[in-house]
Amino acid sequence: GENVEQHPSTLSVQEGDSAVIKCTYSDSASNYFPWYKQELGKGPQLIIDIRSNVGEKKDQRIAVTLNKTAKHFSLHITETQPEDSAVYFCAASTGGGSARQLTFGSGTQLTVLP
Amino acid sequence: DAGVTQSPTHLIKTRGQQVTLRCSPKSGHDTVSWYQQALGQGPQFIFQYYEEEERQRGNFPDRFSGHQFPNYSSELNVNALLLGDSALYLCASSLVGDGAGRVFGSGTRLTVV
Repeated sequence: GENVEQHPSTLSVQEGDSAVIKCTYSDSASNYFPWYKQELGKGPQLIIDIRSNVGEKKDQRIAVTLNKTAKHFSLHITETQPEDSAVYFCAASTGGGSARQLTFGSGTQLTVLP
Repeated sequence: DAGVTQSPTHLIKTRGQQVTLRCSPKSGHDTVSWYQQALGQGPQFIFQYYEEEERQRGNFPDRFSGHQFPNYSSELNVNALLLGDSALYLCASSLVGDGAGRVFGSGTRLTVV
């Protein structure tokens, strides 16, 4: 089955700096790669996603890049703010529609220092 | 518009007991998936229900079972609880054909003692 590895496990940045989280996946058939933010006491919240036919996607301060050849994808957060502090998870899946069952990475605890 | 609602929020059970967790999907969603999230780990897929049937299952033993009701709500049952079943159990709902629109609930924290 699919295996997703995520690095680093913890990341501290100064407010206003950029943060980068990287993931690799094993199944070349994976075609959907979402990123989730999980705050304490809450469930994961989708922040951005990318499909395998796209190499990069951006939404305001957040961007995701995908390298299908190398089977890795990354989350980039620019101009970080204290409210960005949370645990971030990458995930990968195959299939379409509701068949997109997710395999998650182990998470990155991001701390933005004021 | 209410999102995904899970109950209870916290639960303490003894080894060997049975537990039932409940999930109400977001309005308009018809598919429910359950995930187990151990402390410090990412969620792991348990199973998915659509049209009151289990459609997909992850690598979990038969002690884990579920049900979906006609109103799309769902239950997760775990029998013969083990200490290792202690985790946050997350329910996610979506509309069939739109897995990208999946929404997670806040979860049920199960502690087995």
